[in-house]
Amino acid sequence: EAGVAQSPRYKIIEKRQSVAFWCNPISGHATLYWYQQILGQGPKLLIQFQNNGVVDDSQLPKDRFSAERLKGVDSTLKIQPAKLEDSAVYLCASSLAGQGLQTQYFGPGTRLLVL
Amino acid sequence: DQQVKQNSPSLSVQEGRISILNCDYTNSMFDYFLWYKKYPAEGPTFLISISSIKDKNEDGRFTVFLNKSAKHLSLHIVPSQPGDSAVYFCAARNSNSGYALNFGKGTSLLVTP
Repeated sequence: EAGVAQSPRYKIIEKRQSVAFWCNPISGHATLYWYQQILGQGPKLLIQFQNNGVVDDSQLPKDRFSAERLKGVDSTLKIQPAKLEDSAVYLCASSLAGQGLQTQYFGPGTRLLVL
Repeated sequence: DQQVKQNSPSLSVQEGRISILNCDYTNSMFDYFLWYKKYPAEGPTFLISISSIKDKNEDGRFTVFLNKSAKHLSLHIVPSQPGDSAVYFCAARNSNSGYALNFGKGTSLLVTP
């Protein structure tokens, strides 16, 4: 079974530029999560999708971050404009469903450096 | 506010000995706890979990203990192997308010031969 795929693996941009990350979850997984992991910290949830609907985006900085999952499969996370403090690893995870005790499976992450 | 705390940033253990990783939480509504293991340049990998209705869960060399009254859980690895060297994250969630995981900062485990 293929795991969660993410691209790109690394990205370097200058502040005020925009950037987009892509995630392809495990086939059949209805729930998709985007986490931000700053160096030395644990992952922090940014947004959770159930199919193509948003379940939780309370910690998403909506003035600069946006995410979509148009067909309930792939997802993109965008930052526009980027700030220095956005430098982090952006992790995508998926699970079979949001309910119950379903395990979240993580992708390798996209490491973003904002200069 | 950090609701899940791992107060030991690092731990070094000799091969064959027991590794004990600790985690404390502040939210009494958390009802499900997980441990994830992370190698460099990879995403976290699920290791073991425990529901709040239990106080122990065992899977091979890995055992998780939960003390609800103390809001404390620990992961025991016996015997420790060099391949266990990784960063271990404790995570918790409140199943009644979504399924997002709250992570600790992680403990870096080094198992020396």
